[in-house]
Amino acid sequence: AQKVTQAQTEISVVEKEDVTLDCVYETRDTTYYLFWYKQPPSGELVFLIRRNSFDEQNEISGRYSWNFQKSTSSFNFTITASQVVDSAVYFCALSHRQGAQKLVFGQGTRLTINP
Amino acid sequence: GAVVSQHPSRVICKSGTSVKIECRSLDFQATTMFWYRQFPKQSLMLMATSNEGSKATYEQGVEKDKFLINHASLTLSTLTVTSAHPEDSSFYICSAVKQGASYEQYFGPGTRLTVT
Repeated sequence: AQKVTQAQTEISVVEKEDVTLDCVYETRDTTYYLFWYKQPPSGELVFLIRRNSFDEQNEISGRYSWNFQKSTSSFNFTITASQVVDSAVYFCALSHRQGAQKLVFGQGTRLTINP
Repeated sequence: GAVVSQHPSRVICKSGTSVKIECRSLDFQATTMFWYRQFPKQSLMLMATSNEGSKATYEQGVEKDKFLINHASLTLSTLTVTSAHPEDSSFYICSAVKQGASYEQYFGPGTRLTVT
């Protein structure tokens, strides 16, 4: 079975702090995709990143960075120099089969950035 | 970019009535669409996979007779909540997979259903 665990239910930091959101996944598949989505108060999911299981390179996009470690089945997300606009619920998700795209979501982490 | 719309964005209905939610891919064709449900402060749970021209595939525990899904064209899938009850109140989100690009999935803005 596929499972995604985001152990941090809520995180609150002060603006400009760095913050890391944890994601641990379980799957028996050798080919899979990992995702991060942002859900602001409006409710619409905003796609942040997709990573396939064969690409363990870390990725940086502006203030966002992702650390994929297959050995620990983790796909953590770091926001550097956080801003109030980063406040949202962040979901990590797993697609267990290429082409199927059924997503299994983690429980989500509610991130609050305080001014 | 690829845009997915949902209509209505919000709906309030009385218990016992049915309500239809539309999911449209505006600028691409989608052979597959997914329907998710999200209860307040909870995660998204996949309800069903909607394939154009065929019956939907429902996840375990989702009543197919209560949540009717129709995917009549490559740009439209509908979810009908039949005989709605207050416990069906939720945020319903659809997503569409771009035809020919199976890893590209786009989410709609969601529909908030309140059953009174």
